[in-house]
Parts: sequence; structure tokens; C-alpha cells
Amino acid sequence: QVQLQESGPGLVKPSQTLSLTCTVSGGSISSPSYYWSWIRQPAGKELEWIGRIYSSGSTNYNPSLKSRVTISIDTSKNQFSLSLTSVTASDTAVYFCARRGDRFDTWGQGTLVTVSS
Amino acid sequence: DIQMTQSPSTLSASVGDRVTITCRASQSINSWLAWYQQKPGKAPKLLIYEASSLESGVPSRFSGSGSGTEFTLTISSLQPDDFATYYCQQYNEQYNSYSRTFGRGTKVDIK
Repeated sequence: QVQLQESGPGLVKPSQTLSLTCTVSGGSISSPSYYWSWIRQPAGKELEWIGRIYSSGSTNYNPSLKSRVTISIDTSKNQFSLSLTSVTASDTAVYFCARRGDRFDTWGQGTLVTVSS
Repeated sequence: DIQMTQSPSTLSASVGDRVTITCRASQSINSWLAWYQQKPGKAPKLLIYEASSLESGVPSRFSGSGSGTEFTLTISSLQPDDFATYYCQQYNEQYNSYSRTFGRGTKVDIK
């Protein structure tokens, strides 16, 4: 049973970079090959897909966030990561990592990131 | 971007009721649609994919239908564990578009 766990700072200052890591356990991040995704949800609001990465490193991003987002993968550590630059209060949300890049069949528990000075 | 419109936004129902939630896409997405259930403080749970395929382990009282732009999620007999918020999500890749979008959700609460 594959499990995902997000980790990273819970508080980020405005204009700085948000960085999160998702650790995959119970299976290899590269075999079988899946896309791995990041999704976020502001409090009381709907879900927003951020982007995805394949085990080869190929990425796709939400056009509305593309200029600020980088997703990377480290197969040796069974992890993939999210970097979001120039954050503002509107980036405050629960951030989820998930398996697959089409439908999302396995999710992490989510981590709250607050953008505030 | 493809927009997903869910209705209603809130639905009040009783245990045993048949419940139907609708999701409309702003353009055709064929059958590339998923449904999720989310409870407060928890991650979403995949219920249905490809519009009508039941995810493994999901009770058979959940079903999905539709194609093109109109989709429905039906719960045949609402159970106490089903009071939650439900989201649709499209994953159409026509015209090399890889963006994914969710509906705004339908909260099912106790009548």
C-alpha cells in the first residue's frame, strides 16, 4: 500500500519561496512509472491542481502558476518536491501531494502552509 | 482552461435518500472525469474515474454517468458515512492541454 507524506515549513514570509517535499513509502516512485502531483486547497475553498512530474522528470504545470512553480523528483530518495516563488497571502493553503497525473488515486494527508510576515 | 460547474452547492438529505450531483464542463471532456469525496480535515478520496468506473474498495451505492459535458454522481441510498463534500475533476488531454480542474464542490449535509 503506497503512502505519501508531505513535509516542509508551515510558515513562509511574503515574497519568499515555499518549498515542500513529498516522501513516497510502500513502493518505488519510479516503478511502476506514474505521474506525481501537487494540489492545494485554501481554507473553505475548492481544490487547485498545481502540477505534475513523471518519474523521468518531465513536468506539466497549471498555466496560472507556471511562472512561479518548479516540481522536481529524486528517485534515490523516493521523493518529489514543490517550489513556489514570490508567495503572497493568496498562496496560503493546505498543500497535498498525490499519485498520478490524471485522476489522483492516493493522497498525502496534506500540510498547511501559511504566508505571513 | 476548462471550467467545471457543480450543482447544487449544498444538498440536504436523509439517510436512505437517493442523491444526485451534477457536474458540467465548459467544453467536451469525453469521459475524462473523476469524482472525489472529502471530509473535514482529510484528503479527498477517489470514488469514480473515467466518468463511470468505480475505484477499488468504493461501495457500489456510488455510481457515475455521463460523457461530453454533462456528468452525474449518484448515491443510491445515502449512508451516515456519506455526509461529506463531493468534487468533480476533469483530466482531458485533447489539444495537448494537461491542466486539471476541479468543480467548486457539493456539500451533502443532514436534513
